[in-house]
Amino acid sequence: DQQVKQNSPSLSVQEGRISILNCDYTNSMFDYFLWYKKYPAEGPTFLISISSIKDKNEDGRFTVFLNKSAKHLSLHIVPSQPGDSAVYFCAASSQGPLVFGKGTRLSVIA
Amino acid sequence: EPEVTQTPSHQVTQMGQEVILRCVPISNHLYFYWYRQILGQKVEFLVSFYNNEISEKSEIFDDQFSVERPDGSNFTLKIRSTKLEDSAMYFCASSREENSNQPQHFGDGTRLSIL
Repeated sequence: DQQVKQNSPSLSVQEGRISILNCDYTNSMFDYFLWYKKYPAEGPTFLISISSIKDKNEDGRFTVFLNKSAKHLSLHIVPSQPGDSAVYFCAASSQGPLVFGKGTRLSVIA
Repeated sequence: EPEVTQTPSHQVTQMGQEVILRCVPISNHLYFYWYRQILGQKVEFLVSFYNNEISEKSEIFDDQFSVERPDGSNFTLKIRSTKLEDSAMYFCASSREENSNQPQHFGDGTRLSIL
């Protein structure tokens, strides 16, 4: 049961470049999508979210894009910084409980 | 910035023993959640709690599990008779509302190790 899929387990990006993390979902009832960042030995930290009525939401260096017809969302980080190195989780919900992807480990190389 | 706090950070317990994991949600939040992450797997939803009762639970949350809000600040997860497969990171989360663009905020988790 993989309602939320992050197909890339890892991603390496040069400092200053753009990081693009992708997420696909199968449940068309999802109406709220979130990205979380997780460092080792810490809990997931909320980054940015988007409602299904929008196709883009921006917060500083982070932008989330939602393509409902493709059931796809992406997180863009620009410019990428070494401190962005972490595991990034995509999550989705319809009412309440979050359904998570497996995560993508981002490494930003100085 | 207010945060969700969880204690203990690591709990080691013998199989068959009861364990209680504790959480202090963010003070003005009304919805509370428990999730777990078995090593190498996804973060999975266990249970949500609102207005002093369970609002939703997953298949994982069987009769061995219970939740309680014993006072105005704590939110606990009890596992009555632990099994080896209960070994995981357990995360507590809270939110102001159940959706409506209000994200869930997570604690740093309790690592539960069952021997």
